[in-house]
Amino acid sequence: DQQVKQNSPSLSVQEGRISILNCDYTNSMFDYFLWYKKYPAEGPTFLISISSIKDKNEDGRFTVFLNKSAKHLSLHIVPSQPGDSAVYFCAASEGGGADGLTFGKGTHLIIQP
Amino acid sequence: DAMVIQNPRYQVTQFGKPVTLSCSQTLNHNVMYWYQQKSSQAPKLLFHYYDKDFNNEADTPDNFQSRRPNTSFCFLDIRSPGLGDAAMYLCATSRGLTGATNEKLFFGSGTQLSVL
Repeated sequence: DQQVKQNSPSLSVQEGRISILNCDYTNSMFDYFLWYKKYPAEGPTFLISISSIKDKNEDGRFTVFLNKSAKHLSLHIVPSQPGDSAVYFCAASEGGGADGLTFGKGTHLIIQP
Repeated sequence: DAMVIQNPRYQVTQFGKPVTLSCSQTLNHNVMYWYQQKSSQAPKLLFHYYDKDFNNEADTPDNFQSRRPNTSFCFLDIRSPGLGDAAMYLCATSRGLTGATNEKLFFGSGTQLSVL
């Protein structure tokens, strides 16, 4: 039973436009949410995170929004650049996170010129 | 640069032949994790070490074992690999400081295991 769901296996966006990646979760005990980016043949790298006490966190071109009542978060990338083409994983943890993260299946973002 | 290093990048083993995957870290983090990721699937946590304390996930098969001889190194042992164990194996670390919240995981590049 998947606790973190990314329902779009892939997303194609034109360079310069906004990319919106979505993630839903079912475990109401999750209190920390992260996005990781993964290039082929590399491990996932941390991108941005948000605590459940916030509804928005911004870092440069990347913004994560959290809607706790809907158990939904999204990652916005503006403007999208060719180097953003990668697989993006949504992840969540409860109680600090030292027990590990629960991941979604990932969304493959393709930025088209 | 401080990092998480996994060796080898690609590992081929035979059905039923024991195999060991290695991970080392220079971050001096307390916690080390092993994840299994099959194609187009979510990375799945197998187990983790909080310092020397071993924590096994409930659904991790007995075929998978782990060792952490010191802070820097962690090994994944697959005693009798089956065809279904072919996957990417990711090692990760986190600080694991007492009372810390909002832990981020730092990943190695992974070992792609093939079982023939």
